[in-house]
Amino acid sequence: KNQVEQSPQSLIILEGKNCTLQCNYTVSPFSNLRWYKQDTGRGPVSLTIMTFSENTKSNGRYTATLDADTKQSSLHITASQLSDSASYICVPYYGGSQGNLIFGKGTKLSVKP
Amino acid sequence: DAEITQSPRHKITETGRQVTLACHQTWNHNNMFWYRQDLGHGLRLIHYSYGVHDTNKGEVSDGYSVSRSNTEDLPLTLESAASSQTSVYFCASSNRGHTDTQYFGPGTRLTVL
Repeated sequence: KNQVEQSPQSLIILEGKNCTLQCNYTVSPFSNLRWYKQDTGRGPVSLTIMTFSENTKSNGRYTATLDADTKQSSLHITASQLSDSASYICVPYYGGSQGNLIFGKGTKLSVKP
Repeated sequence: DAEITQSPRHKITETGRQVTLACHQTWNHNNMFWYRQDLGHGLRLIHYSYGVHDTNKGEVSDGYSVSRSNTEDLPLTLESAASSQTSVYFCASSNRGHTDTQYFGPGTRLTVL
């Protein structure tokens, strides 16, 4: 069964600190993995897309890693800002069509001053 | 700038009524999607379309229908609204490729009383 689990469910950090969000997935066949940021009351916005051959991908202060062998991904946020407060959603894609995305439940990050 | 819009942003209706949620994109994307987002769940796919006159059922399609008469629009219809359809609905669009980003609209919050 295709599944994705994210941890932690929620996280509170102080502004300026770093944090890492985790994603474990079981999808087959695996094609690529996406991370989205969703601000409260808004639609998700794409941060990164990584294929199975990519280990690391950065987008500003966001760095995603992927280990296709262990089926794990992480999203590292450097020097957090108040605007990073949002839910971060891990989305593996098991190919065939773009209807085959599995959305995780997300990690809710709160950055406090 | 290209965008994807949804209307209405908020809707309250009664059980048994037919409801139509609008989605309009100016990206000229072939693919369009409808998702619902509920507490405790990741985004779940309702219906999707790969082009004009093409529609496909997603994971949670019962009670919903779509039609695609042009590239820009994919309206979602609830034939007979039920309280279980109270949710936040997101429309998204993308190009054809497996690594192409899905761009999400701002969402419609639907309440069925």
